[in-house]
Amino acid sequence: QSALTQPRSVSGSPGQSVTISCTGTSSDVGDYNYVSWHQQNPGKAPKLMIYDVSKRPSGVPDRFSGSKSGNTASLTISGLQAEDEADYYCCSYAGDYTYVFGTGTKVTVL
Amino acid sequence: QVQLVQSGAEVKKPGSSVKVSCKASGGTLNNHAVNWVRQTPGQGPEWLGGIIPIFGAATYAQKFQGRVTITADKSTSTAYMELNSLRSEDTAIYYCASVTLDCTTTSCYYFYYMDVWGMGTTVTVS
Repeated sequence: QSALTQPRSVSGSPGQSVTISCTGTSSDVGDYNYVSWHQQNPGKAPKLMIYDVSKRPSGVPDRFSGSKSGNTASLTISGLQAEDEADYYCCSYAGDYTYVFGTGTKVTVL
Repeated sequence: QVQLVQSGAEVKKPGSSVKVSCKASGGTLNNHAVNWVRQTPGQGPEWLGGIIPIFGAATYAQKFQGRVTITADKSTSTAYMELNSLRSEDTAIYYCASVTLDCTTTSCYYFYYMDVWGMGTTVTVS
């Protein structure tokens, strides 16, 4: 179970859109529509932002959206805001009640 | 929504074991699975394993198989993660995170995503 691959960092100005990729394999991302995205601020626990590839939990702004194509999932933040600056991690179900996380992406709001 | 309350920070010697607890508050673990995830500074989270308390069986990441044991006490709605043969590389923050189950009298639907996280337990091996 190798970690899912994410870009180390992405950045954008307020109001712009940024997209974070999450590349796995045909045994995890490619095989299941159970990719989630978690936001983590310094010193805090992760927070669920997207589940089942593209669904948003109650309370998560609709500027956060998710998608998947083949072995790669993506998180897009539209209309970037200062409060979106954080680390983001993808997570994929990998069968038999196992999971694999991504390497993490730092989002910087310029 | 259930909250997960974890035990306090631990400092351990190399070669010893640590046992971290995760107690459900505002609900029970009867309709949740509990996963354990660790994170070292500057690194992504790493899944160690998980358990569905109402079924009892645990699953583990291959990397930690044989060194980690995950258990649950349904009577106290508490899950535990014990890691043995500790080494300095095990220094990390350990989180529990729950997955919701929707159970009827005959079956359960597993929701596949971790939606509630504990606050984390710092384990230092030195």
